[in-house]
This record gives sequence, C-alpha cells and structure tokens, in this order.
Amino acid sequence: AAGVIQSPRHLIKEKRETATLKCYPIPRHDTVYWYQQGPGQDPQFLISFYEKMQSDKGSIPDRFSAQQFSDYHSELNMSSLELGDSALYFCASSPGLTNTEAFFGQGTRLTVV
Amino acid sequence: SQQGEEDPQALSIQEGENATMNCSYKTSINNLQWYRQNSGRGLVHLILIRSNEREKHSGRLRVTLDTSKKSSSLLITASRAADTASYFCATFIAGGTSYGKLTFGQGTILTVHP
Repeated sequence: AAGVIQSPRHLIKEKRETATLKCYPIPRHDTVYWYQQGPGQDPQFLISFYEKMQSDKGSIPDRFSAQQFSDYHSELNMSSLELGDSALYFCASSPGLTNTEAFFGQGTRLTVV
Repeated sequence: SQQGEEDPQALSIQEGENATMNCSYKTSINNLQWYRQNSGRGLVHLILIRSNEREKHSGRLRVTLDTSKKSSSLLITASRAADTASYFCATFIAGGTSYGKLTFGQGTILTVHP
C-alpha cells in the first residue's frame, strides 16, 4: 500500500541557508500535517492543511512557511536556518475526517551546521 | 503545555511479560491514537480509540480510554524484543475553525530484553 513519501530523507544545510522539505500524502488523503521532533523530544505540531487551505497553526517559526498544492502534496519552506532547527521533520496525511488515523512518513532529518 | 503526558518515561521488561503505558491529557478530545517509533525512524500508527469508546484491541495490543479521568492506557501482552521502541499517545482535537490536529505526549521508552 502507498505510504506518505517525504523528500529528501536527509539534508545538511549551513546556518542562514534555506531548505525545502516535500511531502507526498497517501492518495485520496486531503489533509497534511507537519511535525518537528528534536532529539529525545516528542513530535511538535507545526502546521496543517485541509483541501489546500491552512487548517491549524502550531509552534511554527515565522521563518518557516508551508503550503499544499493542487495535487495535495505539501512543501515546508525554512529560511534563515538556525542550529536549533536541526531535527526530524515529519509529514502525516489523513482522509480529513475526524476519527481517522494519521499516517506518518519516514521523516526528513535536517542538520544545520 | 503538553496535552498528553505519559508514564512511565521508561520501562524495562523481559520477553513474555506484559507492558503497560499510561497517558493523561487535559482537554476533551475526539480520539486518542497510539504510535510507535523505533529510534530515529518514522511514527507507526498502532491504534485509534474514539472518545465514545472505552476499550479496543488489536492483536497483542489493548487500549483503554477513560474520558472522565482523561486518561488512556496501552497494554502490550506477551512482549517481544522487537517491541523495543518509544511509544507515544496523541490526542486529536477538532472544533471551531480547526479541522483538527494531533498533539503528542512525551512518550514511553520500552525496552524488552530477550
């Protein structure tokens, strides 16, 4: 069965650079969530989209932006990267109904040096 | 503040024993979901329990939900070394203009010794 695809799997950037993370949800899933997980931490909600519109916003820095495109894939854009942005970034998708599971991708490991 | 808090933070058991992890949350929820994560890997969905359900089973997993106490538990029976992982509960809350989001607890690190 198709799963959530994230790319790239690993990314190394220098401070003050920009990064773009991509997420391809499971087909026919119209909701996408983005999470950030620091070392030894629980996943922190960043932002979500439903039917290409922003649904919820969490602890996402102003330096980050995201959008969901017409084909439902989503991109997380991160600018002016800081060392503290080093983390695992997960994308999840769901069919958009309240009581349905959210399925996560394998994550993108971002290292800022 | 954390919506979900889990205990214990770490649990170490022998193969064949049962493992119980608890999760508490603060506000009303639509559902509660449990996930497993192997070190540095993705989050694997285990089970979803709706707010109007009290117990749910899936294989060796049993989840309970007590909305009056705002708590849930995950029981893994007859544990195996391959169950070694971090386990997270996540509450799903939707309402108002929000279509809903999952908020994770701090997780329990389970180690199953062969």
